[in-house]
Amino acid sequence: DTGVSQNPRHKITKRGQNVTFRCDPISEHNRLYWYRQTLGQGPEFLTYFQNEAQLEKSRLLSDRFSAERPKGSFSTLEIQRTEQGDSAMYLCASSFRTSSRYEQYFGPGTRLTVT
Amino acid sequence: GENVEQHPSTLSVQEGDSAVIKCTYSDSASNYFPWYKQELGKRPQLIIDIRSNVGEKKDQRIAVTLNKTAKHFSLHITETQPEDSAVYFCAAQGAGSYQLTFGKGTKLSVIP
Repeated sequence: DTGVSQNPRHKITKRGQNVTFRCDPISEHNRLYWYRQTLGQGPEFLTYFQNEAQLEKSRLLSDRFSAERPKGSFSTLEIQRTEQGDSAMYLCASSFRTSSRYEQYFGPGTRLTVT
Repeated sequence: GENVEQHPSTLSVQEGDSAVIKCTYSDSASNYFPWYKQELGKRPQLIIDIRSNVGEKKDQRIAVTLNKTAKHFSLHITETQPEDSAVYFCAAQGAGSYQLTFGKGTKLSVIP
C-alpha cells in the first residue's frame, strides 16, 4: 500500500494520560498535515509541515499538543494530559512537493477515545 | 480566517437522478477548492478539485463549478448510483496557506 498510513488506528486512554500518534506520508510528498475530525463535522486543520519545518499551526493546537517531523519523513502528534474533549479522529494528509500541485491525500486516521 | 458553508446537510435522490451540493466561502483570496467523499469509517477521498482560474471542471459523472464573484462553488453528480452514497465535504484553501478549511458535509443517500 503506497498511501498515507497512520498508527495506531484506534487508541483508548484514560483522562490525564499522554498519547502519541504516528503518520507515514506518501514517499515522494514533502508536505504533511494534521487534521482533527469529530462526529458529523468536517476535518479541522491542526498543523502543517514542509519537510521538517512546522510552518502553520492552528489556534486549536493548544499547549498540550505537539507535533514533530524530525527527518522530514514520518510525523508524530503527541497529546499530553488528555481530556475527554480530545476524543476525535486524528487525520494525517500529505501532498506533493511542487508548488503547482495542491492535492492533499488523507490517511485512514487514528480514532482517539478518552474515558 | 476562512469560513466555508455547505448545503444541504442531507440529500436523498433516486438512483439515476442528479445531485447538487453547494458551498460558499468567505475569503476572496482563496484559490483552490477540492471535494472529498467519505464513506462510513473510511478516509476522506479526493474526488475532484478546481482552482480559482477555472470556472468549471468535469470528470465523467462528476463536475464542479466555481463562481469567484459570488464566492460559491458546487458539486454536480449525474446519473447517481447507490455507491455514490457517502458524506461529501467541500473545502477551500487560502492564498499563501496550505491548510484546507472544510464545510460541515452533506450526507448523500442514493435510493435504488
